[in-house]
Amino acid sequence: AQKITQTQPGMFVQEKEAVTLDCTYDTSDPSYGLFWYKQPSSGEMIFLIYQGSYDQQNATEGRYSLNFQKARKSANLVISASQLGDSAMYFCAVSLSNYQLIWGAGTKLIIKP
Amino acid sequence: DTAVSQTPKYLVTQMGNDKSIKCEQNLGHDTMYWYKQDSKKFLKIMFSYNNKELIINETVPNRFSPKSPDKAHLNLHINSLELGDSAVYFCASSQAKIAQETQYFGPGTRLLVL
Repeated sequence: AQKITQTQPGMFVQEKEAVTLDCTYDTSDPSYGLFWYKQPSSGEMIFLIYQGSYDQQNATEGRYSLNFQKARKSANLVISASQLGDSAMYFCAVSLSNYQLIWGAGTKLIIKP
Repeated sequence: DTAVSQTPKYLVTQMGNDKSIKCEQNLGHDTMYWYKQDSKKFLKIMFSYNNKELIINETVPNRFSPKSPDKAHLNLHINSLELGDSAVYFCASSQAKIAQETQYFGPGTRLLVL
């Protein structure tokens, strides 16, 4: 069965430090996409970054980068120079050939001043 | 210039009532989705439409009925509301129904059934 695992239910990180949020996935689809979304306390879901399963290079978007290790089925999100506004829930998701996004349970990130 | 909008943002209602949530996207996307996020923040797909055609219909009670009058709108009607329906409901859209397309979310509708 397709599954996403985010092993860190919660994390505390000091402001300005880098943070890595873990995500592993299990899919038998030959082609898929990996997504990270942010959900601040206000509740909206904000798209952060995307990585295609055939992309050779790791995706980057500003302070966000995706550490994609296909053989290990791992797609960790790295946030550099964390800011107080980064405090939020972070969700990893995998898109499958049946058009669905399968979601992880999320990691609650709190940035300490 | 809102991309994906939902109304209402908050909905408080009694058990047994019927209610609707509306969703509109002005991104020109072909595909729209409804998700339910429970109290533990777990997100689950409910329905998806591509060009007004139902393409995903997950196991949800048949009290939930989506309606897509055109590809820019996907409404969710819920009959005979139950306590367990309390959740946040998100609408989303993507350019196409292929796996690699990013989904853009509306602000969510917080439904509380009393």
